[in-house]
Amino acid sequence: NAGVTQTPKFQVLKTGQSMTLQCAQDMNHEYMSWYRQDPGMGLRLIHYSVGAGITDQGEVPNGYNVSRSTTEDFPLRLLSAAPSQTSVYFCASRLTGSSGNTIYFGEGSWLTVV
Amino acid sequence: SQQGEEDPQALSIQEGENATMNCSYKTSINNLQWYRQNSGRGLVHLILIRSNEREKHSGRLRVTLDTSKKSSSLLITASRAADTASYFCATGPWGSQGNLIFGKGTKLSVKP
Repeated sequence: NAGVTQTPKFQVLKTGQSMTLQCAQDMNHEYMSWYRQDPGMGLRLIHYSVGAGITDQGEVPNGYNVSRSTTEDFPLRLLSAAPSQTSVYFCASRLTGSSGNTIYFGEGSWLTVV
Repeated sequence: SQQGEEDPQALSIQEGENATMNCSYKTSINNLQWYRQNSGRGLVHLILIRSNEREKHSGRLRVTLDTSKKSSSLLITASRAADTASYFCATGPWGSQGNLIFGKGTKLSVKP
């Protein structure tokens, strides 16, 4: 198992550009989510999904779109990048149900918007 | 919004010493988890303690939970330089659609 795989690892964008952060998991997890991590702020939830075709907003969803067409993939789209979106982004997944407490993280994507 | 708050924000100790980190949370929980993050890496699950448990051990890790005080502590005994990392507490998830809510973390530095 590869676990949770994120690409790209590093990206520099210009203000106003759009891009997609890719996330894939091979553990057949129903639940997937995106967090951003900023210094002194911990991890904040952007969007999450409890299954294919179902997505919902987290704490900080503005400026981001997600879709879940398959169980494996959960891409995060930045529609028009802003310097405030400079951050480290983590994709995570877990099982749902009573055994699905532990969450598995990808290695992160470092995004800089200039 | 943050549910858990770790204390201290940063901790520096010598190898062989014990490291204690605390987490306080605001609302009722069904479980509390601790995660570790090495610099430049993703978070890794360490241990989960349920609301009806008071203490749990895993190797050199000892976690306590006091639901009356809404607090938890993580003790790492006989620390090693390789324990240098940030440690986060997280509460949840509630049900299949629940989300984990993370604190801001404690940055632990273990000096050889």
